[in-house]
Amino acid sequence: EDQVTQSPEALRLQEGESSSLNCSYTVSGLRGLFWYRQDPGKGPEFLFTLYSAGEEKEKERLKATLTKKESFLHITAPKPEDSATYLCAVAKAAGNKLTFGGGTRVLVKP
Amino acid sequence: KAGVTQTPRYLIKTRGQQVTLSCSPISGHRSVSWYQQTPGQGLQFLFEYFSETQRNKGNFPGRFSGRQFSNSRSEMNVSTLELGDSALYLCASSARLATDTQYFGPGTRLTVL
Repeated sequence: EDQVTQSPEALRLQEGESSSLNCSYTVSGLRGLFWYRQDPGKGPEFLFTLYSAGEEKEKERLKATLTKKESFLHITAPKPEDSATYLCAVAKAAGNKLTFGGGTRVLVKP
Repeated sequence: KAGVTQTPRYLIKTRGQQVTLSCSPISGHRSVSWYQQTPGQGLQFLFEYFSETQRNKGNFPGRFSGRQFSNSRSEMNVSTLELGDSALYLCASSARLATDTQYFGPGTRLTVL
């Protein structure tokens, strides 16, 4: 069965303090790995799709990387507005759904 | 391009009632997926529709059902509501495959009293 595990569950950062979030996955035949950001009471907002090991994508202070077993979301010099829950999901090639991890709650204090 | 819309945004029901939630996908998207999100279980897959056909279903009881119309709009229905059905219900659309990038709506917050 597909499994996605995110760590840590929660992360408290000072503004400007860079850090990384981890998403470990077990899936047979990865089609894609997705990162989303979710603010309280809202729907997840799409950030990145990664398709193959070695791929990297960047958007503002966020950078996502992918290996054969895990993905990292690096937050560089975060600001308070980066506070949110970050969700990781995987899709397998023969599947018809996304499987989500539990998320990492990030709080950036000024 | 307009995003995914969901109505209503908030609902309060009592146990035993039924509820229907609606989702309009991004224009041109044909796959619609539904998820239930709770603090304890996270995002759980309910079902996925494409061209008015359910292609995949998660591990939820038969009280949860859905359908998709010819314009790709989708509805989900929950009958005989239980307290544990209180959750944020999210709809997501993708271009063709459920494994394409999915874009989420704002969700419907259902509270069962």
